[in-house]
Amino acid sequence: DAGVTQSPTHLIKTRGQQVTLRCSPKSGHDTVSWYQQALGQGPQFIFQYYEEEERQRGNFPDRFSGHQFPNYSSELNVNALLLGDSALYLCASSLSGVDEQFFGPGTRLTVL
Amino acid sequence: QQQVKQSPQSLIVQKGGISIINCAYENTAFDYFPWYQQFPGKGPALLIAIRPDVSEKKEGRFTISFNKSAKQFSLHIMDSQPGDSATYFCAASKRSGGYQKVTFGTGTKLQVIP
Repeated sequence: DAGVTQSPTHLIKTRGQQVTLRCSPKSGHDTVSWYQQALGQGPQFIFQYYEEEERQRGNFPDRFSGHQFPNYSSELNVNALLLGDSALYLCASSLSGVDEQFFGPGTRLTVL
Repeated sequence: QQQVKQSPQSLIVQKGGISIINCAYENTAFDYFPWYQQFPGKGPALLIAIRPDVSEKKEGRFTISFNKSAKQFSLHIMDSQPGDSATYFCAASKRSGGYQKVTFGTGTKLQVIP
């Protein structure tokens, strides 16, 4: 079992650009959550996907959007990047109805 | 209020000592309280978790103490080892419409010195 995988590992973009981050959940999991972790801070909940639909959303603007595919993998898209979007983006997977979440290694996004 | 307050921000403990990290929450709707361990460059790893109907849970050297009336919970690491040096996050979650939303604390950087 490969656990939760994320790609790419690192990414550098400039202000105004768009970025797509990818996540494959742990085998058997059907729910994917995305978090933003700024340097020295705790992860902040962005949104959660189940059955290809966004089910919960945190306090993030519409520039942050996502998608879940039939195989449960997921993408996080961020448009019109700002300097403040620089962070570690974490994906966590879980099984619907079960509280335990398992995190991937994250994607480090740097916006210049 | 969704906030989870965590203290201390950093902690230095001698090898073999007890590390204690505290968290407080405000929303009584929270029903699951996990602790995560994060090493530099890695994602958080689930360490131990508790539900509010239990006052204490122990797994190996790690113990969660939970005080529902005070809305506080803490992580105790017994016989702390240098390999325990990491950042620890408490979290709290609640289910809404069958879906879980997790709120994290701000983290405690633990250093265990030999």
